[in-house]
Amino acid sequence: QKEVEQNSGPLSVPEGAIASLNCTYSDRVSQSFFWYRQYSGKSPELIMSIYSNGDKEDGRFTAQLNKASQYVSLLIRDSQPSDSATYLCAVSKGNKLVFGAGTILRVKS
Amino acid sequence: NAGVTQTPKFQVLKTGQSMTLQCAQDMNHNSMYWYRQDPGMGLRLIYYSASEGTTDKGEVPNGYNVSRLNKREFSLRLESAAPSQTSVYFCASSPPMGNAVGGFYGYTFGSGTRLTVV
Repeated sequence: QKEVEQNSGPLSVPEGAIASLNCTYSDRVSQSFFWYRQYSGKSPELIMSIYSNGDKEDGRFTAQLNKASQYVSLLIRDSQPSDSATYLCAVSKGNKLVFGAGTILRVKS
Repeated sequence: NAGVTQTPKFQVLKTGQSMTLQCAQDMNHNSMYWYRQDPGMGLRLIYYSASEGTTDKGEVPNGYNVSRLNKREFSLRLESAAPSQTSVYFCASSPPMGNAVGGFYGYTFGSGTRLTVV
């Protein structure tokens, strides 16, 4: 079992819709959770961090954390073609991050 | 305002050749990391350095060595390159763990090195 699991996709959504990306993790002691966006041929870029159960909103992005169920999700509202990218879920392990393989998101105009 | 700088951006090696990937950060971060990214496998940790003077193996260290030259610089060396080391390599850095809930603030990544071993 991988430490961090994501559906590889691609997840296709129409422009203006809500994109929902999910991630599960296996280590219950993890305390910090991150979503990175990676455009093709580019490096990962941090878009959200979350540390406590519940929701955290930043603009069109909402991260959700449920430690009891060991999942993290990312909602992107009013999806735009520029949101098309690979989204990486990352979970802390001490002072390191363990990454999922990423979910490809395609927003169709 | 450079953040994390990696060199070179692209490299082609022949099997058995050696090379060093360079990484430098100007954010006064304590910890630095080397990852490789392969299709379908995500980012896998090769080596990391929690602070100047320390280095530790990650998930896939075989075939690699590292040097934490000072607080700013962390290099990755391939002594005898193999085709299995064809990958995209990312360097990253992070600040010290803090007092916030969770305590870890995540990484800043360099722009990556695309390495092909033929």
